Amino acid sequence: GAVVSQHPSRVICKSGTSVKIECRSLDFQATTMFWYRQFPKKSLMLMATSNEGSKATYEQGVEKDKFLINHASLTLSTLTVTSAHPEDSSFYICSARVGRQGVHEQFFGPGTRLTVL
Amino acid sequence: QKEVEQNSGPLSVPEGAIASLNCTYSDRGSQSFFWYRQYSGKSPELIMSIYSNGDKEDGRFTAQLNKASQYVSLLIRDSQPSDSATYLCAVRGDGQNFVFGPGTRLSVLP
Repeated sequence: GAVVSQHPSRVICKSGTSVKIECRSLDFQATTMFWYRQFPKKSLMLMATSNEGSKATYEQGVEKDKFLINHASLTLSTLTVTSAHPEDSSFYICSARVGRQGVHEQFFGPGTRLTVL
Repeated sequence: QKEVEQNSGPLSVPEGAIASLNCTYSDRGSQSFFWYRQYSGKSPELIMSIYSNGDKEDGRFTAQLNKASQYVSLLIRDSQPSDSATYLCAVRGDGQNFVFGPGTRLSVLP
């Protein structure tokens, strides 16, 4: 499978600060990446679809001014949680879609656990 | 709205038994179907994909697809305690996005 990395794996920050999470495709180019959030014992929630060279598409209820997404290259997408608050504490996971011979699969990064104090 | 449904579980099976995980989907135009395994505190890992009706086997895993019934399942033979995890069903339609089910928690008892 394809390899997707995320950095950092864990971050603790004070309320009101901004946190940037990086998602990289290591052995392939990804025109489309996805950002998910997952609360403990809950299912994945798609936040936004990140498209290289264009604006991200946000799911309903996700504040685009709070969760800034930048997909500046074919191997890197970033999610910035601005003015983070304790309720933003969650497990953030990115994924990348890989298309090979007409088949599309989605591979996940290892996730970033954000704790806002 | 496109939906993917799974029984949340937990599904408990004894070690060595067959675990059967089920998933139904609402979008009849769905083309691709995936099973992911997610261990607690970790991100999902792709374990199986299936695109046409019938069975697809990979080691101890067998995915079964029935498009007429809009049903996809995952069988795990000779279940091991290390198989204990949450299994996510994902469906991709004509569009680009994947829709994930809520996951079924599997517990394999030694």
